[in-house]
Amino acid sequence: AQSVTQPDIHITVSEGASLELRCNYSYGATPYLFWYVQSPGQGLQLLLKYFSGDTLVQGIKGFEAEFKRSQSSFNLRKPSVHWSDAAEYFCAVGAKGTYKYIFGTGTRLKVLA
Amino acid sequence: DVKVTQSSRYLVKRTGEKVFLECVQDMDHENMFWYRQDPGLGLRLIYFSYDVKMKEKGDIPEGYSVSREKKERFSLILESASTNQTSMYLCASSLWDPGGTQYFGPGTRLLVL
Repeated sequence: AQSVTQPDIHITVSEGASLELRCNYSYGATPYLFWYVQSPGQGLQLLLKYFSGDTLVQGIKGFEAEFKRSQSSFNLRKPSVHWSDAAEYFCAVGAKGTYKYIFGTGTRLKVLA
Repeated sequence: DVKVTQSSRYLVKRTGEKVFLECVQDMDHENMFWYRQDPGLGLRLIYFSYDVKMKEKGDIPEGYSVSREKKERFSLILESASTNQTSMYLCASSLWDPGGTQYFGPGTRLLVL
C-alpha cells in the first residue's frame, strides 16, 4: 500500500541547532516528493520538491532535503534553526500520472530560545 | 505570485445547516482540491476537480459535495453539517500536469455545534 511515514510527531530543538525531520515513503511508481510547512493557523507553504535529477534539493528558508531511493527516504534538514521555524512540517508523495498526493501526519517543531 | 484564497478563515455553524466553503485561485490552474486536516491524521483528500464541471472523489467524500462552475472557483458543500465535520479545510490548486506542485490557501477552520 502507498504510504508516507513521519516517525516523529514532535521535535524540540534549541535555536541555532541543526535539524533533521524524517520522511519515509512506500510508493510503487517513481515518486515526486514534497515538503510543506504550516505555521499556526495558516495554510501549507511549499518548502521544496524533488521530481528527478540531483538527489539533494535546496528549498526556501535555508532548508534542504535529500532523496535516498535505497532507503525510501526524503529527510528535511536545516543547519541552524531559527525561532521562526517553529511550525508543523508535512512530507508528501505524488507521482507522474496521478493527481493525488499522499501526506504524512506531520511533525511539529518547537524551537527553544 | 501564486494565490489561493478561501472565503472564510473561521466559521461556526449548527448541526444540520448547509455550509458552503469557497476557494478561488488566480493562477489559471486546471486542478483544484479540497482537503480536510485533523490532528494526527494529516491531510485527507475530500474531492478534486481537473476541469470545469469535472470532479472526482477523494478518500473521504461522504457527507460532502463540490461544485466547479468556473475555472478559478471550487466550492465545497456540506449538505447537512454534523459535529464530526468540525475540522480545518484546506483548498489547493495545481497545473494540469499530474503530480505537479499543489499550492494551498490559508484554510477555513469550521466548528459545527
